[in-house]
Amino acid sequence: SQTIHQWPATLVQPVGSPLSLECTVEGTSNPNLYWYRQAAGRGLQLLFYSVGIGQISSEVPQNLSASRPQDRQFILSSKKLLLSDSGFYLCAWSVQGTRLTGELFFGEGSRLTVL
Amino acid sequence: GNSVTQMEGPVTLSEEAFLTINCTYTATGYPSLFWYVQYPGEGLQLLLKATKADDKGSNKGFEATYRKETTSFHLEKGSVQVSDSAVYFCALRRAFSGNTPLVFGKGTRLSVIA
Repeated sequence: SQTIHQWPATLVQPVGSPLSLECTVEGTSNPNLYWYRQAAGRGLQLLFYSVGIGQISSEVPQNLSASRPQDRQFILSSKKLLLSDSGFYLCAWSVQGTRLTGELFFGEGSRLTVL
Repeated sequence: GNSVTQMEGPVTLSEEAFLTINCTYTATGYPSLFWYVQYPGEGLQLLLKATKADDKGSNKGFEATYRKETTSFHLEKGSVQVSDSAVYFCALRRAFSGNTPLVFGKGTRLSVIA
Protein backbone atom coordinates (compact mmCIF):
# COMPACT_ATOMS: atom_id res chain seq x y z
CA SER A 1 0.00 0.00 0.00
CA GLN A 2 1.01 3.60 -0.53
CA THR A 3 2.11 5.84 2.30
CA ILE A 4 3.16 9.46 2.54
CA HIS A 5 5.29 10.96 5.26
CA GLN A 6 6.36 14.49 5.93
CA TRP A 7 8.65 15.96 8.57
CA PRO A 8 9.24 17.62 10.83
CA ALA A 9 5.75 17.59 12.33
CA THR A 10 6.33 20.79 14.26
CA LEU A 11 8.86 23.54 13.73
CA VAL A 12 9.49 26.87 15.47
CA GLN A 13 11.89 29.13 13.61
CA PRO A 14 13.04 32.75 13.96
CA VAL A 15 12.39 35.29 11.23
CA GLY A 16 15.14 35.24 8.64
CA SER A 17 16.17 31.65 9.24
CA PRO A 18 16.09 28.96 6.50
CA LEU A 19 13.45 26.28 6.13
CA SER A 20 13.40 22.75 4.81
CA LEU A 21 10.33 20.53 4.94
CA GLU A 22 10.57 17.09 3.44
CA CYS A 23 7.96 14.75 2.05
CA THR A 24 8.36 11.20 0.76
CA VAL A 25 5.91 8.80 -0.81
CA GLU A 26 6.26 5.04 -0.74
CA GLY A 27 4.53 2.28 -2.63
CA THR A 28 3.93 4.09 -5.91
CA SER A 29 5.95 5.38 -8.86
CA ASN A 30 5.92 8.69 -10.68
CA PRO A 31 3.28 10.35 -8.52
CA ASN A 32 2.09 13.91 -8.86
CA LEU A 33 3.28 15.76 -5.77
CA TYR A 34 1.86 18.89 -4.13
CA TRP A 35 2.60 21.35 -1.36
CA TYR A 36 -0.36 23.17 0.19
CA ARG A 37 -0.41 25.70 3.00
CA GLN A 38 -3.23 26.20 5.43
CA ALA A 39 -3.13 29.54 7.20
CA ALA A 40 -5.63 30.65 9.80
CA GLY A 41 -8.80 31.91 8.14
CA ARG A 42 -7.48 31.41 4.63
CA GLY A 43 -8.36 27.84 3.75
CA LEU A 44 -6.09 25.61 1.70
CA GLN A 45 -3.67 27.32 -0.68
CA LEU A 46 -1.75 25.42 -3.35
CA LEU A 47 1.91 26.44 -3.32
CA PHE A 48 3.68 24.06 -5.72
CA TYR A 49 3.03 20.92 -7.67
CA SER A 50 5.23 18.56 -9.61
CA VAL A 51 4.48 16.00 -12.32
CA GLY A 52 8.02 14.60 -12.45
CA ILE A 53 11.61 14.86 -11.25
CA GLY A 54 12.87 18.39 -11.58
CA GLN A 55 9.48 19.68 -12.82
CA ILE A 56 8.00 22.26 -10.46
CA SER A 57 5.01 24.51 -11.04
CA SER A 58 4.59 27.47 -8.71
CA GLU A 59 1.12 28.72 -8.00
CA VAL A 60 1.87 31.63 -5.70
CA PRO A 61 4.97 33.85 -5.99
CA GLN A 62 6.64 34.18 -2.60
CA ASN A 63 9.87 33.49 -0.79
CA LEU A 64 9.33 29.74 -0.80
CA SER A 65 10.70 27.24 -3.30
CA ALA A 66 10.23 23.55 -3.98
CA SER A 67 12.42 20.84 -5.39
CA ARG A 68 11.96 17.24 -6.45
CA PRO A 69 15.37 15.61 -6.45
CA GLN A 70 13.97 12.08 -6.63
CA ASP A 71 10.79 10.54 -7.98
CA ARG A 72 9.08 10.24 -4.60
CA GLN A 73 10.69 13.08 -2.69
CA PHE A 74 9.38 16.62 -2.53
CA ILE A 75 11.09 19.37 -0.54
CA LEU A 76 9.80 22.80 0.45
CA SER A 77 12.44 25.39 1.24
CA SER A 78 13.05 28.98 2.11
CA LYS A 79 16.27 30.93 2.47
CA LYS A 80 14.78 33.51 4.84
CA LEU A 81 11.49 32.96 6.63
CA LEU A 82 8.93 35.70 7.13
CA LEU A 83 6.33 35.96 9.88
CA SER A 84 3.67 35.42 7.20
CA ASP A 85 5.14 31.99 6.41
CA SER A 86 3.62 30.59 9.59
CA GLY A 87 1.02 27.94 8.92
CA PHE A 88 0.23 24.28 8.50
CA TYR A 89 2.00 22.80 5.47
CA LEU A 90 0.54 19.76 3.80
CA CYS A 91 2.20 17.50 1.27
CA ALA A 92 0.01 15.39 -0.98
CA TRP A 93 0.27 12.98 -3.89
CA SER A 94 -1.99 11.70 -6.64
CA VAL A 95 -1.72 9.08 -9.33
CA GLN A 96 -0.42 10.27 -12.71
CA GLY A 97 -2.66 10.07 -15.71
CA THR A 98 -5.52 11.64 -17.55
CA ARG A 99 -8.26 9.09 -17.03
CA LEU A 100 -8.60 9.35 -13.28
CA THR A 101 -10.78 11.29 -10.91
CA GLY A 102 -7.74 12.69 -9.23
CA GLU A 103 -8.05 11.88 -5.55
CA LEU A 104 -5.35 13.42 -3.38
CA PHE A 105 -3.65 11.61 -0.51
CA PHE A 106 -2.32 13.89 2.20
CA GLY A 107 0.51 13.64 4.67
CA GLU A 108 0.12 14.38 8.35
CA GLY A 109 1.16 18.01 7.98
CA SER A 110 3.96 20.18 9.35
CA ARG A 111 3.10 23.08 11.62
CA LEU A 112 5.51 25.99 11.20
CA THR A 113 5.60 28.90 13.60
CA VAL A 114 7.84 31.82 12.69
CA LEU A 115 8.68 34.12 15.61
CA GLY B 1 -11.65 29.64 -14.13
CA ASN B 2 -12.39 26.86 -11.71
CA SER B 3 -13.46 27.78 -8.20
CA VAL B 4 -15.33 26.42 -5.20
CA THR B 5 -17.44 28.39 -2.74
CA GLN B 6 -18.39 26.96 0.64
CA MET B 7 -20.62 28.34 3.32
CA GLU B 8 -18.81 30.33 5.98
CA GLY B 9 -18.26 28.69 9.33
CA PRO B 10 -18.02 27.91 12.05
CA VAL B 11 -21.07 25.71 12.29
CA THR B 12 -22.07 24.59 15.78
CA LEU B 13 -24.62 21.81 16.20
CA SER B 14 -25.94 19.65 18.98
CA GLU B 15 -25.38 15.92 18.79
CA GLU B 16 -27.93 14.13 16.56
CA ALA B 17 -28.78 17.33 14.67
CA PHE B 18 -29.05 17.40 10.87
CA LEU B 19 -26.06 18.82 9.02
CA THR B 20 -25.87 20.63 5.71
CA ILE B 21 -22.72 22.32 4.45
CA ASN B 22 -23.30 24.12 1.17
CA CYS B 23 -20.84 23.97 -1.71
CA THR B 24 -21.20 25.47 -5.16
CA TYR B 25 -18.67 25.43 -7.95
CA THR B 26 -17.64 27.15 -11.14
CA ALA B 27 -15.85 25.05 -13.71
CA THR B 28 -15.45 24.41 -17.40
CA GLY B 29 -16.46 21.00 -18.60
CA TYR B 30 -17.54 18.29 -16.18
CA PRO B 31 -15.41 18.31 -13.05
CA SER B 32 -15.06 15.62 -10.43
CA LEU B 33 -16.19 16.80 -7.00
CA PHE B 34 -14.85 15.87 -3.57
CA TRP B 35 -15.41 16.41 0.11
CA TYR B 36 -12.35 16.17 2.32
CA VAL B 37 -12.31 16.19 6.13
CA GLN B 38 -9.56 17.41 8.43
CA TYR B 39 -9.66 16.30 12.06
CA PRO B 40 -7.80 18.47 14.59
CA GLY B 41 -4.03 18.40 14.09
CA GLU B 42 -4.16 16.06 11.10
CA GLY B 43 -3.89 16.18 7.33
CA LEU B 44 -6.90 15.98 5.03
CA GLN B 45 -8.70 12.73 4.27
CA LEU B 46 -11.04 12.02 1.41
CA LEU B 47 -14.58 11.72 2.75
CA LEU B 48 -16.53 11.13 -0.46
CA LYS B 49 -16.51 11.94 -4.15
CA ALA B 50 -18.66 12.05 -7.28
CA THR B 51 -17.45 12.02 -10.85
CA LYS B 52 -20.53 12.82 -12.93
CA ALA B 53 -23.89 14.54 -12.73
CA ASP B 54 -26.48 12.97 -10.40
CA ASP B 55 -23.85 10.74 -8.77
CA LYS B 56 -24.21 10.49 -5.01
CA GLY B 57 -21.09 10.04 -2.92
CA SER B 58 -21.51 8.59 0.54
CA ASN B 59 -19.32 7.55 3.45
CA LYS B 60 -19.63 7.35 7.25
CA GLY B 61 -23.24 8.56 7.09
CA PHE B 62 -22.35 11.62 5.01
CA GLU B 63 -23.83 12.14 1.56
CA ALA B 64 -23.47 14.61 -1.28
CA THR B 65 -25.15 14.65 -4.69
CA TYR B 66 -23.54 16.13 -7.80
CA ARG B 67 -26.13 18.62 -9.11
CA LYS B 68 -25.07 19.97 -12.47
CA GLU B 69 -28.17 22.13 -12.90
CA THR B 70 -27.40 24.07 -9.72
CA THR B 71 -23.60 23.50 -9.83
CA SER B 72 -23.74 22.28 -6.25
CA PHE B 73 -22.37 19.46 -4.12
CA HIS B 74 -23.85 20.03 -0.66
CA LEU B 75 -22.70 17.80 2.18
CA GLU B 76 -25.37 16.31 4.44
CA LYS B 77 -25.60 14.03 7.43
CA GLY B 78 -28.78 13.05 9.18
CA SER B 79 -27.44 12.81 12.72
CA VAL B 80 -24.07 14.26 13.65
CA GLN B 81 -21.84 13.02 16.45
CA VAL B 82 -19.22 14.76 18.55
CA SER B 83 -16.59 12.80 16.63
CA ASP B 84 -17.67 14.59 13.42
CA SER B 85 -16.17 17.84 14.71
CA ALA B 86 -13.65 18.79 12.04
CA VAL B 87 -13.02 21.12 9.12
CA TYR B 88 -14.71 20.09 5.88
CA PHE B 89 -13.38 21.08 2.46
CA CYS B 90 -15.20 20.94 -0.83
CA ALA B 91 -12.95 20.52 -3.88
CA LEU B 92 -13.07 19.98 -7.63
CA ARG B 93 -10.85 18.77 -10.40
CA ARG B 94 -11.48 19.13 -14.09
CA ALA B 95 -12.40 15.77 -15.58
CA PHE B 96 -9.70 13.65 -17.20
CA SER B 97 -6.94 15.93 -16.04
CA GLY B 98 -4.94 13.75 -13.69
CA ASN B 99 -2.07 16.23 -13.50
CA THR B 100 -4.17 19.24 -12.56
CA PRO B 101 -4.23 20.13 -8.86
CA LEU B 102 -7.47 20.07 -6.92
CA VAL B 103 -9.13 23.41 -6.29
CA PHE B 104 -10.35 23.67 -2.70
CA GLY B 105 -12.91 25.79 -0.98
CA LYS B 106 -11.87 27.67 2.16
CA GLY B 107 -13.21 25.02 4.50
CA THR B 108 -16.07 24.96 6.98
CA ARG B 109 -15.38 24.24 10.63
CA LEU B 110 -17.99 22.05 12.31
CA SER B 111 -18.27 21.77 16.08
CA VAL B 112 -20.69 19.23 17.53
CA ILE B 113 -21.54 19.56 21.19
CA ALA B 114 -22.95 16.82 23.40
